[in-house]
Amino acid sequence: DAGVIQSPRHEVTEMGQEVTLRCKPISGHDYLFWYRQTMMRGLELLIYFNNNVPIDDSGMPEDRFSAKMPNASFSTLKIQPSEPRDSAVYFCASSFSTPDTQYFGPGTRLTVL
Amino acid sequence: GDSVTQMEGPVTLSEEAFLTINCTYTATGYPSLFWYVQYPGEGLQLLLKATKADDKGSNKGFEATYRKETTSFHLEKGSVQVSDSAVYFCALTRGETSGSRLTFGEGTQLTVNP
Repeated sequence: DAGVIQSPRHEVTEMGQEVTLRCKPISGHDYLFWYRQTMMRGLELLIYFNNNVPIDDSGMPEDRFSAKMPNASFSTLKIQPSEPRDSAVYFCASSFSTPDTQYFGPGTRLTVL
Repeated sequence: GDSVTQMEGPVTLSEEAFLTINCTYTATGYPSLFWYVQYPGEGLQLLLKATKADDKGSNKGFEATYRKETTSFHLEKGSVQVSDSAVYFCALTRGETSGSRLTFGEGTQLTVNP
């Protein structure tokens, strides 16, 4: 299995631009999670889906952030407009059931100038 | 709400030294407990887990025992190697129907010197 796939691995953009992060979970997993990691705040859960349906988005910082999962094999996290404080590493993870091991992707390092 | 507290880092050891990273938690019910490891430039990966009291998780020489009476899940390894240098995260999930969210500790940076 290829594991969780994230793209791009690195993204550098200017303040005000739209940013879209992509994730392909492990086939057969029905939970998908988006996390953000910063030095100041550590690992934060932003949102998670079960069977493509958003279950808990209480960690989404503000309306500038949105996430979708149009099918079982693809999810996006969008930031519009981006701000320098959004600079972080964004991880996608998936799991088969609950409670169960979550498998993390390699992350997308976002830098907003 | 749920919370996980790890010992403050960073931790620096010499090769073959004994490692302990403390982890305590606060949660209702019977959470499952995990240790994840993050190597430089990579995502987190599961190191070990325990799903009920007194269970011992083990992997790659690392061990941790689920102690409900002390609400702890301390990570230990008898002899660390340079390749163990990484950030270690303790985490829990209650896995109820309301969610499968992992609650992470702040992470402990381990550096092992040759």
